[in-house]
Amino acid sequence: EDQVTQSPEALRLQEGESSSLNCSYTVSGLRGLFWYRQDPGKGPEFLFTLYSAGEEKEKERLKATLTKKESFLHITAPKPEDSATYLCAVQAPTSGYSTLTFGKGTMLLVSP
Amino acid sequence: SQTIHQWPATLVQPVGSPLSLECTVEGTSNPNLYWYRQAAGRGLQLLFYSVGIGQISSEVPQNLSASRPQDRQFILSSKKLLLSDSGFYLCAWNTASNQPQHFGDGTRLSIL
Repeated sequence: EDQVTQSPEALRLQEGESSSLNCSYTVSGLRGLFWYRQDPGKGPEFLFTLYSAGEEKEKERLKATLTKKESFLHITAPKPEDSATYLCAVQAPTSGYSTLTFGKGTMLLVSP
Repeated sequence: SQTIHQWPATLVQPVGSPLSLECTVEGTSNPNLYWYRQAAGRGLQLLFYSVGIGQISSEVPQNLSASRPQDRQFILSSKKLLLSDSGFYLCAWNTASNQPQHFGDGTRLSIL
C-alpha cells in the first residue's frame, strides 16, 4: 500500500528563520510527487511537481527537492504570509489509472 | 483561464437527510474530475473520480455516490446522511492523470 508521511506535523518559525519540511514516501513506481499549500477553509493550491530523483523546483522563497525515498520543501527567509498547511502527494499507478495519495500535511506558522 | 466552482460553501444537515453537492469547471473540455473528503487530522481521501460523462470510479465503499451528467459538472450525493459523513469536501480537476490536480474551495458539511 502506498504511504506518505509528512514531518513535522507542525512547525513554528520566526520571520526570516529558514527551515525544511519533509515528505517520506513508499510507492511502487512513482510517477510524480506534488506539493500543495492549503490556507484555512480553502482548497489546496498547487505549488510544484517533481518527477525524478535529483529534480529541484523553485518559486519565490520555496524550493522543492526529490530523492528516491523523500522530498523536502525548503523555506528560505519565510514571511508571515507563508503560514499555511503544506501538503505532499504521490502518484503511482493503481488499477490502470494514477491517483494521488496525500500526506496529513505540515502546519507552518511564521511569526513576525 | 480555467476555474472551478463548488457550492454551497457550508452546509448543515440533519442525520438521515439527503445531500447534493455540485462542482463545475470552466475554461477546459473533458477534464478528469475528483471528489475528496478531508477530515480533521487526516489526509485528503479520494472518494470518486471521473474521466468522462457517465464514467465514475469509486475509491472507497461508503454512503455516498457521484454522478457526472455533463462534461464539466460533477455531483456528490447521498440518500441518507450519517454522522460520519461530516467533513470538508473538495472537488478537483486536471487535464491528464499525470498533471497537477486543481482544487475548488470546498464545502464544509456538518451533520447534526
